[in-house]
Amino acid sequence: DAGVIQSPRHEVTEMGQEVTLRCKPISGHNSLFWYRQTMMRGLELLIYFNNNVPIDDSGMPEDRFSAKMPNASFSTLKIQPSEPRDSAVYFCASSHHGLGNIQYFGAGTRLSVL
Amino acid sequence: DQQVKQNSPSLSVQEGRISILNCDYTNSMFDYFLWYKKYPAEGPTFLISISSIKDKNEDGRFTVFLNKSAKHLSLHIVPSQPGDSAVYFCAADKTSGSRLTFGEGTQLTVNP
Repeated sequence: DAGVIQSPRHEVTEMGQEVTLRCKPISGHNSLFWYRQTMMRGLELLIYFNNNVPIDDSGMPEDRFSAKMPNASFSTLKIQPSEPRDSAVYFCASSHHGLGNIQYFGAGTRLSVL
Repeated sequence: DQQVKQNSPSLSVQEGRISILNCDYTNSMFDYFLWYKKYPAEGPTFLISISSIKDKNEDGRFTVFLNKSAKHLSLHIVPSQPGDSAVYFCAADKTSGSRLTFGEGTQLTVNP
């Protein structure tokens, strides 16, 4: 299996622009997670889906952030408009709920908002 | 409210010696614990886990110890190798749950 695939690996944008991060989970996994890693706050859970349904979005910082999972093999995290404080590494992870709590992470997207 | 804490941001050990990484938690509902390893420019990768019904789990050079009364777990790496140099995150969950709460991470450096 190819593992969790995230794109792009790096994104540089200007303040105010829309940013879309993409994730393809491991085939057969039914839970998907979006995390943000910063020096100050470590690994924060932003939102997670179970069977394509958002279960907990309490970690989403504000309305500028939105996430979708239109099908079992694809998810997006969108920031609109982006701000410099959104600069971070964003990780997507997937797991098979019911077969342990092990989450498998993608390589991450490093976002820089200038 | 930091429910999982790794109080040491960094640890440096000599190759061949033991590395001990520590983690504390506050939520008594947590009953499943994991350690992840992260190299630069990569995502975290699962290393080892332990359920609260055990107090020790071993996998090769890696052993995780759980002290439920102290709400403390530790990861032992013996012997340490330079390739073990990475950031180590502990994480906790309820067995019935599906989300992990991560600690802040500890940067381990193993010197040749």
